[in-house]
Amino acid sequence: RKEVEQDPGPFNVPEGATVAFNCTYSNSASQSFFWYRQDCRKEPKLLMSVYSSGNEDGRFTAQLNRASQYISLLIRDSKLSDSATYLCVVTSNTGNQFYFGTGTSLTVIP
Amino acid sequence: DGGITQSPKYLFRKEGQNVTLSCEQNLNHDAMYWYRQDPGQGLRLIYYSQIVNDFQKGDIAEGYSVSREKKESFPLTVTSAQKNPTAFYLCASGLTPELGKLFFGSGTQLSVL
Repeated sequence: RKEVEQDPGPFNVPEGATVAFNCTYSNSASQSFFWYRQDCRKEPKLLMSVYSSGNEDGRFTAQLNRASQYISLLIRDSKLSDSATYLCVVTSNTGNQFYFGTGTSLTVIP
Repeated sequence: DGGITQSPKYLFRKEGQNVTLSCEQNLNHDAMYWYRQDPGQGLRLIYYSQIVNDFQKGDIAEGYSVSREKKESFPLTVTSAQKNPTAFYLCASGLTPELGKLFFGSGTQLSVL
């Protein structure tokens, strides 16, 4: 079983739409959780950390549900510049290994 | 500017040849990582190092080797034993594993001639 599972998409949404991605993880003892953004053939960049209490950064909201072992990312008022692949990342129980999902592809259409 | 630098950006390997990918960081990070990314797939861990002169195998270490002689440098050698080396290779570093955030280099695209 994979450490992290994501719906690969693609998600094609119009500008201004709200879109949500989910990710599940297999290790209940995982320590930390993140969403990274990766543009085509570029390096991943940290979008935001994910906390049990939920956290928001502008149009982006991340949630962690430890009981159900899933992580979500909500993007409101989608912009063309949001088009990218979004990677769900989970660390090991010791925190020294990072497990990446396959990524969810988002295209925002004018 | 502080950052993590990978070179070269593109690399071509002949059959039976070993090649080395460079990764240098001036962020004073303890932990460094090498990942491989294939089209449509997530990043897979090749090797990681949490301290100088120490490193551990990741999920797909066969056919690869690393060294960590300096804190700033973590080169990856793709040996001839790696039969399917064509991929996008990403190096990353982190301040300490517990802090969790990774900073990536811009990647090296390795192709076989």
